[in-house]
Amino acid sequence: KNEVEQSPQNLTAQEGEFITINCSYSVGISALHWLQQHPGGGIVSLFMLSSGKKKHGRLIATINIQEKHSSLHITASHPRDSAVYICAVGGEYGNKLVFGAGTILRVKS
Amino acid sequence: DAGITQSPRHKVTETGTPVTLRCHQTENHRYMYWYRQDPGHGLRLIHYSYGVKDTDKGEVSDGYSVSRSKTEDFLLTLESATSSQTSVYFCAIRPTGGIYGYTFGSGTRLTVV
Repeated sequence: KNEVEQSPQNLTAQEGEFITINCSYSVGISALHWLQQHPGGGIVSLFMLSSGKKKHGRLIATINIQEKHSSLHITASHPRDSAVYICAVGGEYGNKLVFGAGTILRVKS
Repeated sequence: DAGITQSPRHKVTETGTPVTLRCHQTENHRYMYWYRQDPGHGLRLIHYSYGVKDTDKGEVSDGYSVSRSKTEDFLLTLESATSSQTSVYFCAIRPTGGIYGYTFGSGTRLTVV
């Protein structure tokens, strides 16, 4: 079993839909990261969180430490949100990241 | 990307040749990382550094070596490139303190023929 599991693996949505991507982990962590990677592009850090909830524009990330679960929500999705979203967890000392396999999101207009 | 650059962006090399990839940062961060990204495997840690001359292995370090003689530069060397090392390589930096996330370089696409 992978230490970081993401679901779904693939997601297709219509423009304007509310999107949720889930991440579950099995190790102790100091922080959880959500990353975005556009096709052929670099990797951008969206959020780093260790508790509660963070919001940036149309993106919201939540984490439940007790349940070892995090969600990334996208409100009013847009075709430019089409990308791979990657969940990663940092270990107790935050020195190394363990990555999920990623969720491929396609938003159709 | 702001504060971190990788070079080269693309490289094609022959099996058995040595290859060095460079990661340069202007942020003066202590932690630097090299990852490779492959279909079906996601991102995997090759080596990382926690200071000048301080490095450690990641989960896929075989066939790779690193050096960090200055804070700003972290070099990844493939001593004798193999086809299995064809991949996209990403460098990342992270500030000490843990309140900020990682910044990734734009990646180096390496093809070993």
